[in-house]
Amino acid sequence: NAGVTQTPKFQVLKTGQSMTLQCAQDMNHEYMSWYRQDPGMGLRLIHYSVGAGITDQGEVPNGYNVSRSTTEDFPLRLLSAAPSQTSVYFCAVQIGQKLFFGSGTQLSVL
Amino acid sequence: GDSVTQMEGPVTLSEEAFLTINCTYTATGYPSLFWYVQYPGEGLQLLLKATKADDKGSNKGFEATYRKETTSFHLEKGSVQVSDSAVYFCALANAGGTSYGKLTFGQGTILTVHP
Repeated sequence: NAGVTQTPKFQVLKTGQSMTLQCAQDMNHEYMSWYRQDPGMGLRLIHYSVGAGITDQGEVPNGYNVSRSTTEDFPLRLLSAAPSQTSVYFCAVQIGQKLFFGSGTQLSVL
Repeated sequence: GDSVTQMEGPVTLSEEAFLTINCTYTATGYPSLFWYVQYPGEGLQLLLKATKADDKGSNKGFEATYRKETTSFHLEKGSVQVSDSAVYFCALANAGGTSYGKLTFGQGTILTVHP
């Protein structure tokens, strides 16, 4: 997981609260993405970015916002958390055809 | 759209047993195929990949062959170790290989290896 740092590692929210999951890379690569991992469903793409100032939606974008003001950072925002957003979240950086993942954020929404 | 289907798990084996985890896919064009592994408490790591039909990816004793005729990419290992216990994900990337960080993953297969 070297080069991709996610914070926090664990978070508990109440329904309706907001929070930002942080993702930072030191590999200076353009392509970054956010996935959520749920049991029996593998990883599903939430949002992705092909460079600073450019983001797009993935498979399950509803309830999440992203921005990419710098190459290094790609934060994921939950504006009003819902129990359905309880999941493990992974940030990834693509280099060539290989994805480098962060160690994940385990989020529980009560 | 693209999709990946993995065999149902979990899989439990004894050390030195033979491992097969099945993976089939549906995709337009000519996708690249991957196996990622997730050890407990960690993010995913690339295990192996294949970019065209009949390619064989291999790493750490694991192998998988890209079979376009059967749209499959089954993972195999001849003799598993306890340290292979992990979750294994099959995945594909489309868009001519420039996937912009967008992969389609299977649901994952939990492997447990007992001594």
